[in-house]
Amino acid sequence: KNEVEQSPQNLTAQEGEFITINCSYSVGISALHWLQQHPGGGIVSLFMLSSGKKKHGRLIATINIQEKHSSLHITASHPRDSAVYICASIQGAQKLVFGQGTRLTINP
Amino acid sequence: GAVVSQHPSWVICKSGTSVKIECRSLDFQATTMFWYRQFPKQSLMLMATSNEGSKATYEQGVEKDKFLINHASLTLSTLTVTSAHPEDSSFYICSPSTGSLITYEQYFGPGTRLTVT
Repeated sequence: KNEVEQSPQNLTAQEGEFITINCSYSVGISALHWLQQHPGGGIVSLFMLSSGKKKHGRLIATINIQEKHSSLHITASHPRDSAVYICASIQGAQKLVFGQGTRLTINP
Repeated sequence: GAVVSQHPSWVICKSGTSVKIECRSLDFQATTMFWYRQFPKQSLMLMATSNEGSKATYEQGVEKDKFLINHASLTLSTLTVTSAHPEDSSFYICSPSTGSLITYEQYFGPGTRLTVT
């Protein structure tokens, strides 16, 4: 069983909808990354957070350390947001453990 | 953000040949390099971790004699897939780090798609 679980695995929505992707992890972590992988394969780090909430543009990430849960929200979604979103927990100082990813498709 | 390059971006090779993938951190010094492999519709899997000037540490199940990693400088690391087989076809991604994953952001190369025929 993967130590990091994401849901949903696939998500299709209409442009403008509010999107939520969830991430749960089973062991204590130091922090958590949200990553975005575009169809070409390139990966961009969106957020790294260890507590509370972070916001960047239309993206919001929250984490609840006690409940071992994090969410990524996208407001006013746009077709260019279509990508695979991956959460990755940071265990110890060096090791990343990745979720299986959520494939998001935003239709115009 | 930091700039990381990988070369080549894609490569097709015949079974039994070797392929070298280069990863460069263009505007920062990477003391640590992570190499990942990603199969279609799967998540990234860590292959090995290397520190500049030291031997790489390989994850369980990854053959160190098959996947040769060299991290000779703070800006360049290479992964050589030796005697490639079709099952080595995958997307290989490097991820340089300046130190602790807690303190510093995580950067990723654009990836190299390897197809072994």
